[in-house]
Amino acid sequence: DAGVTQSPTHLIKTRGQQVTLRCSPKSGHDTVSWYQQALGQGPQFIFQYYEEEERQRGNFPDRFSGHQFPNYSSELNVNALLLGDSALYLCASSLTTGGSAFFGQGTRLTVV
Amino acid sequence: DQQVKQNSPSLSVQEGRISILNCDYTNSMFDYFLWYKKYPAEGPTFLISISSIKDKNEDGRFTVFLNKSAKHLSLHIVPSQPGDSAVYFCAASSYNNNDMRFGAGTRLTVKP
Repeated sequence: DAGVTQSPTHLIKTRGQQVTLRCSPKSGHDTVSWYQQALGQGPQFIFQYYEEEERQRGNFPDRFSGHQFPNYSSELNVNALLLGDSALYLCASSLTTGGSAFFGQGTRLTVV
Repeated sequence: DQQVKQNSPSLSVQEGRISILNCDYTNSMFDYFLWYKKYPAEGPTFLISISSIKDKNEDGRFTVFLNKSAKHLSLHIVPSQPGDSAVYFCAASSYNNNDMRFGAGTRLTVKP
């Protein structure tokens, strides 16, 4: 079991560009959540996907969007990148029936 | 909104002694609490969890205590080992929700 995998591991983008981050959940998990972790802070909830729909959303602007595919993998898209979007982006997978979530290693996004 | 707080940014203990990490929360709707450990350049790793119907959960050297009336939980590590040195995050959610709210983390250093 490969656990939760994210790609790419590192990414550098220019302000105003768009970025897509990818996540494959742990085998058997059907729910994917995305988090943003700024330096020195805890992860902040962006949104959660289940059955290919956004089920919950945190306090993030519409520039942040996502998608879940039939195989439960997910993408996070960020448009019109700002310098403040520089952070570690974490994907977590879980079962919709509840229980603990498991994280990937994250994607380090740097906006210059 | 800081619904989950870890007021100690760092903690240093001697190998073999007890490490106690603390966490406070404000939202009484939370009914599931988790601790994650994070090493540099890795995603958070699930450590231990507790449901609000319990006040204690043990897993080997790790014990989590929950005081619902005080909205406080703590993680005890006994005995502490140098390999336990990491950043520890407290998280809270509703069991079927998985929209976790994280504290800012406590950096634990265990000295040989």
